Amino acid sequence: GNSVTQMEGPVTLSEEAFLTINCTYTATGYPSLFWYVQYPGEGLQLLLKATKADDKGSNKGFEATYRKETTSFHLEKGSVQVSDSAVYFCALRTNTGNQFYFGTGTSLTVIP
Amino acid sequence: ETGVTQSPTHLIKTRGQQVTLRCSSQSGHNTVSWYQQALGQGPQFIFQYYREEENGRGNFPPRFSGLQFPNYSSELNVNALELDDSALYLCASSSETGLYQETQYFGPGTRLLVL
Repeated sequence: GNSVTQMEGPVTLSEEAFLTINCTYTATGYPSLFWYVQYPGEGLQLLLKATKADDKGSNKGFEATYRKETTSFHLEKGSVQVSDSAVYFCALRTNTGNQFYFGTGTSLTVIP
Repeated sequence: ETGVTQSPTHLIKTRGQQVTLRCSSQSGHNTVSWYQQALGQGPQFIFQYYREEENGRGNFPPRFSGLQFPNYSSELNVNALELDDSALYLCASSSETGLYQETQYFGPGTRLLVL
């Protein structure tokens, strides 16, 4: 079946620290991979995506590389800010289906 | 460009009642998907509507039903509410060409509490 596994949180970092949130997946076919962010009281916003192996998605200083050999899509940022505090969801969509599969989310808190 | 909107923002119902949630898709999008997000969990796919017809369904019972209208807005109906239906309900719209589905864009959600 299709599934996404994320590292468990919560994660607390100091401002300007390096961030990594691990994400691995199981999927049939060739999935597209996504990171969504959810700020308190809001819906999900697309952060970045990658549609094929070795693609790198990037946005707002965040990056993730689609690694087919390790079935991973880890999220990284070199220097986090307080405004990055949110819940981050890794997700996949297979090329044969029409639904998204989400991980359970990782809560990030950045302290000044 | 107008984003995805949902109404109401919050709702309180009692067990056994029925509820209707509404979603207006983003301009230019013809597909609407509904998700249930329980507290502390990721969104779970309920179903998708494309051109007014159901186009895929997740593992939810038949008391979860929906509609899509000619303007591509959508409703989610839940009958015989149970306590476990308490969750954030998210609507997402996308543009589907029949061959490839683009990224889904989410609304802010409706938070439903069942007492």
